[in-house]
Amino acid sequence: KNQVEQSPQSLIILEGKNCTLQCNYTVSPFSNLRWYKQDTGRGPVSLTIMTFSENTKSNGRYTATLDADTKQSSLHITASQLSDSASYICVVSATHRYPSGGSYIPTFGRGTSLIVHP
Amino acid sequence: EAGVAQSPRYKIIEKRQSVAFWCNPISGHATLYWYQQILGQGPKLLIQFQNNGVVDDSQLPKDRFSAERLKGVDSTLKIQPAKLEDSAVYLCASSLMGGNTEAFFGQGTRLTVV
Repeated sequence: KNQVEQSPQSLIILEGKNCTLQCNYTVSPFSNLRWYKQDTGRGPVSLTIMTFSENTKSNGRYTATLDADTKQSSLHITASQLSDSASYICVVSATHRYPSGGSYIPTFGRGTSLIVHP
Repeated sequence: EAGVAQSPRYKIIEKRQSVAFWCNPISGHATLYWYQQILGQGPKLLIQFQNNGVVDDSQLPKDRFSAERLKGVDSTLKIQPAKLEDSAVYLCASSLMGGNTEAFFGQGTRLTVV
């Protein structure tokens, strides 16, 4: 069964500090891994995407890493801001073949709730 | 570019009643998804459409949930009859072709079943 586990479940940090969120997965066959940011009351928004051959991807103050051998990913946030307070969701997609053609199945983690205090 | 539109934003119904949600994806996006997000959890895929065909509905409780995407554009998700455990946010997302293309989410419909 495809699973995505995230840690910690919640995290509180002070503004300006760095933090790292973890994602472990058992998804096969692996297609890609995305990190999403979900603000309260909003839909998730993609931060980064990585395929099998990529091990680092940056988007501003967000840096994601991927170790395909150990099936682990991390999201590092540098110099946190109050607006970083949100839920961060790791999504790992598996390729799948349907009778109608190819597609992929995303498996969502439960997310890490980050609160940044002034 | 307009985003994914969903309505209503909020809905409160009694158990055993029926409810329907509507989604208008981004223009030109072939793939449309419906997700259920229970408070404190990540979204769970209910159904995935490619144009007007269903490519995955393995986690859709078909005894009470139904979805359609007529003409491969707008989609509706219906629950009949609703149960207390259906209380959740229902998110619609669309992407150009699925696969590695990014899925864009709507704001969701928050359903409360009392």
